Amino acid sequence: AQTIHQWPVAEIKAVGSPLSLGCTIKGKSSPNLYWYWQATGGTLQQLFYSITVGQVESVVQLNLSASRPKDDQFILSTEKLLLSHSGFYLCAWSLTGASAETLYFGSGTRLTVL
Amino acid sequence: GDSVTQKQGQVTLSEDDFLFINCTYSTTTYPTLLWYVQYLGQGPQLLLKVTTANNKGISRGFEATYDKGTTSFHLQKASVQESDSAVYFCAPYGSSGNKLIFGIGTLLSVKP
Repeated sequence: AQTIHQWPVAEIKAVGSPLSLGCTIKGKSSPNLYWYWQATGGTLQQLFYSITVGQVESVVQLNLSASRPKDDQFILSTEKLLLSHSGFYLCAWSLTGASAETLYFGSGTRLTVL
Repeated sequence: GDSVTQKQGQVTLSEDDFLFINCTYSTTTYPTLLWYVQYLGQGPQLLLKVTTANNKGISRGFEATYDKGTTSFHLQKASVQESDSAVYFCAPYGSSGNKLIFGIGTLLSVKP
């Protein structure tokens, strides 16, 4: 069975500090990977997606970057946090091609920027 | 650009009440509509899928339907339970760039 693990579960960071969030998928080879952001009480905004190692497409510019250093790993980062980065970050995976419509989300990382 | 409309931002019901949530979007080129449910503190999970071709999907007592006349999708349940309290998102699938567009979500609160 496939599992998706996000870390950390929660972070409290200062404005201007760096950030790195991680996501690992086990049990599935070469999945599509996604990062989503959700403001408190808000909808899900897709940030990045990746269909293969080393390739990441940006959907929304929020002074964040993403990388896929391994087939099963997706990293979200920034060198300088803003207050507006606070929220719930969700990693997700899907199958590829015509089966890509179903996303499987992780449990998320709650980020608070002070 | 494409947009998804969920008019009911928040719905409060009592147990055994009937649930009806509506979802429309600005283009008819998305034949597949997904309903996701997000429980408090968790990531969303797929609840149902419905297409314009088959018009109906059923899971866990929920039913998703497509109304050809109004080109809108509905999520309904005959008798809600307190455990159904969650946020329900609709998301049409089919756009380019592996982008799934989510509606704003409907927060369902079911009182015992």
